[in-house]
Amino acid sequence: QVQLQESGPGLVKPSETLSLTCTVSGASITSYYWSWIRQPPGKGLEWIGLRHNSGSTNYNPSLKSRVTISLDTSKDQFSLNLSSVTAADTAVYYCVKHHNGDYDDAFDIWGQGTMVTVSS
Amino acid sequence: DIQMTQHPSTLSASVGDRVTITCRASQSISRWLAWYQQKPGKAPNLLIYKASSLKSGVPSRFSGSGSGTYFTLTISSLQPDDSATYYCQQYNSYSTFGQGTKVEIK
Repeated sequence: QVQLQESGPGLVKPSETLSLTCTVSGASITSYYWSWIRQPPGKGLEWIGLRHNSGSTNYNPSLKSRVTISLDTSKDQFSLNLSSVTAADTAVYYCVKHHNGDYDDAFDIWGQGTMVTVSS
Repeated sequence: DIQMTQHPSTLSASVGDRVTITCRASQSISRWLAWYQQKPGKAPNLLIYKASSLKSGVPSRFSGSGSGTYFTLTISSLQPDDSATYYCQQYNSYSTFGQGTKVEIK
């Protein structure tokens, strides 16, 4: 079955760059769109951005200036970089698979999530 | 941005009750709407996509309906395992989520 696993530092200093990686197993990373979503403690879900192997990307307008999502087919991984972080970026970060492989889509497979705290 | 508004924010119901959660979009999203269930400390789980299509493996007591700007998620007979927070998501124009509805068992 398809599984996603996030990895990366759990603590990032203010003004630095948050970097996370999602490892995909059980599905071809070239066949689907992939997204990152985050959830601040006790709050709701926020879509961050998407990426396809074709190079197609899209980002939440509220984060667009700080976000880059890349994909490495040789490692079956996709990654999130979020620059100039502040305490407001503290959240659980999830990597997700698009359900039908469409650009705009529901998300049918989620990683377990990784908590990232921004603090000095 | 398309804003998604869920009602109620919290509901408390008994086992066996029929429960309905509503989700309104700030503009028409056709049927590009999904519902998720999230339990504490866990990732959300997709229940319904394209407004009314049940994801494989999801119990049939869950159903979705609606189109345009008004959508509902119904649990036909509430079970103890359904205690969770439920989110709607529009994917007509990138993705935005509702603020969530917490369902508690009396």
